[in-house]
Amino acid sequence: DQQVKQNSPSLSVQEGRISILNCDYTNSMFDYFLWYKKYPAEGPTFLISISSIKDKNEDGRFTVFLNKSAKHLSLHIVPSQPGDSAVYFCAAPSIIGANNLFFGTGTRLTVIP
Amino acid sequence: EADIYQTPRYLVIGTGKKITLECSQTMGHDKMYWYQQDPGMELHLIHYSYGVNSTEKGDLSSESTVSRIRTEHFPLTLESARPSHTSQYLCASSEPGYQETQYFGPGTRLLVL
Repeated sequence: DQQVKQNSPSLSVQEGRISILNCDYTNSMFDYFLWYKKYPAEGPTFLISISSIKDKNEDGRFTVFLNKSAKHLSLHIVPSQPGDSAVYFCAAPSIIGANNLFFGTGTRLTVIP
Repeated sequence: EADIYQTPRYLVIGTGKKITLECSQTMGHDKMYWYQQDPGMELHLIHYSYGVNSTEKGDLSSESTVSRIRTEHFPLTLESARPSHTSQYLCASSEPGYQETQYFGPGTRLLVL
């Protein structure tokens, strides 16, 4: 049973516009969320995180929003650039055991020049 | 930027061969992880370690084994490779603590013929 879900496998956006990537989770005990960016044939690169005590975290062009009541988070990229084209994964650490990350299946973002 | 390395990056090997995937990090992190990812799927934890001489199996059953003799080194071994082992293997590390961030290596793409 997947605890972190990304229901949009792909998203295309024009350069300069906003990209919004969505993520849902099922475990209300999750208290920390991360977004990773992955290029083909490379490992995931950490992008931005948010603690459940916040509803927004911003880092340059990247902003993550958390809606705990809806168990939903989103990553906004403004303005989108062609170099942002990659697969984006949201993740949440297990609250027991290894603290391994539960990942979504990813959303492939394509930014069109 | 994370200093975590994996070799080889790509490996094509025949059935029945023994292989070792190397993972090293220079950040002094105690916690290390091995994830497996098939195309279009989420990452699944197969092994983790809290530190030297500590190894545990993850959520996804795997025929591989790991060892942790030195803090910086966490190799994964398959005694007899099979086509079902074809996948991408990602190593990660983190500092122990609350709401930690995991940093990933570039991954090893394994193809077993």
